[in-house]
Amino acid sequence: SQQGEEDPQALSIQEGENATMNCSYKTSINNLQWYRQNSGRGLVHLILIRSNEREKHSGRLRVTLDTSKKSSSLLITASRAADTASYFCASYAYKLSFGAGTTVTVRA
Amino acid sequence: DTEVTQTPKHLVMGMTNKKSLKCEQHMGHRAMYWYKQKAKKPPELMFVYSYEKLSINESVPSRFSPECPNSSLLNLHLHALQPEDSALYLCASSQVRDEQFFGPGTRLTVL
Repeated sequence: SQQGEEDPQALSIQEGENATMNCSYKTSINNLQWYRQNSGRGLVHLILIRSNEREKHSGRLRVTLDTSKKSSSLLITASRAADTASYFCASYAYKLSFGAGTTVTVRA
Repeated sequence: DTEVTQTPKHLVMGMTNKKSLKCEQHMGHRAMYWYKQKAKKPPELMFVYSYEKLSINESVPSRFSPECPNSSLLNLHLHALQPEDSALYLCASSQVRDEQFFGPGTRLTVL
């Protein structure tokens, strides 16, 4: 029941650089959420942006939402080795539908 | 307590076995979820319980049987599984529509 796409599929950056990943979804939504998953473990919620919001910040995270284009982006600034993980967007209509995910590797 | 716990962490079972996965939260959340995740894939929703009632079943085979005994507990009963059912099974909870809190998952292997 995967609803959206994410790009890139994988991203490798140097510590201190910024990482940007994009997400597209297919239907009207109530909100869009981003989650992080470290290898084979549970997901951790990062940030939620509601359909009437355009941008949201949380620490080193910046999320944008463009409902006209049905797309969102996640920016992680000043990346650290601990940011190495898979990142999933998830659009919420009556249920949460996950995108394919972006695997981010931060090199020390 | 902002944690969702899941037991067991790992489970190996034969195709004729019956086993159960358990999930617990004490955050007062009214919605609880089961997801299945295959390697290098996103989680796929299986079931949603809202206020202890099954509200969504994503056409899951009947060999998976969910149960919500009370607002803090969620079980997933497994019977006659197939090897292709091997996956990471994730439980989550939330207030309805808000961010979901995930447990660490149960890694299931069906032989």
